[in-house]
Amino acid sequence: SQTIHQWPATLVQPVGSPLSLECTVEGTSNPNLYWYRQAAGRGLQLLFYSVGIGQISSEVPQNLSASRPQDRQFILSSKKLLLSDSGFYLCAWRRARKETQYFGPGTRLLVL
Amino acid sequence: QKEVEQNSGPLSVPEGAIASLNCTYSDRVSQSFFWYRQYSGKSPELIMSIYSNGDKEDGRFTAQLNKASQYVSLLIRDSQPSDSATYLCAVTPGWRDTNAGKSTFGDGTTLTVKP
Repeated sequence: SQTIHQWPATLVQPVGSPLSLECTVEGTSNPNLYWYRQAAGRGLQLLFYSVGIGQISSEVPQNLSASRPQDRQFILSSKKLLLSDSGFYLCAWRRARKETQYFGPGTRLLVL
Repeated sequence: QKEVEQNSGPLSVPEGAIASLNCTYSDRVSQSFFWYRQYSGKSPELIMSIYSNGDKEDGRFTAQLNKASQYVSLLIRDSQPSDSATYLCAVTPGWRDTNAGKSTFGDGTTLTVKP
C-alpha cells in the first residue's frame, strides 16, 4: 500500500526566516506530486505540482519554491517567510493517468 | 468568479437524518469529481469519486452527478455525529487534458450532526 509522509507536523517561524517542508511517498513509483496551501476556513490552493524528477510547475507566483530531487520526494521552500505564508500545507500524490489524489497529514505553519 | 462553489454552511442535521451537500462548477471540460471529508485540524480524506452522470452509492454515501447542469452532490444517509466535518468538493479535468491532475477545490461545507 502507498503512504505519504510530511514533516514537520507543525512549525512556528519568524518573518524573514527560511522554510523547508518535506514530503515523501512510499509504495509507488513516478507519482505526480502536489503542494497545496489551505487558509483557515478555506479550500485548497494549488501551489506547485510535479510529474517527475526536476519537473516543477508553479501555479501561483509568490515567494515559495518547490523541488523534486528524488522520484518520491517533494520539497517546499522559501528564502524569506512572510506573514501571509501562514497556513496548512498539504502534499498530495496521484498515479499518472489517474485522477484521484491522496493527501499527506499536512504541516501547519505559523509565521510570526 | 470561483470555479467550484459550495454552500459554506454550517449545515446542521439531527442524527439519523439525510445530509445533502451540493457543489456547482463552471468548467464544462471537467471529467472527474471527488468528495473529501476533512476533520478539524486534519488533512482531507477521499470518500467518494464519480465520473459519469447519475448516482454512485458506497455504504451510507451517495454521490450524484449532472454534467448538463454542472452539479454534483453528496448525500449522507443515517447521519452520525462522527460525520461532523467539512466536506470539500473537487473537480478535475480528465487525465488526457493538458491540465490533468489539477484539481480545483471548493471552500467546503461544514456539516454538524447533532445527537
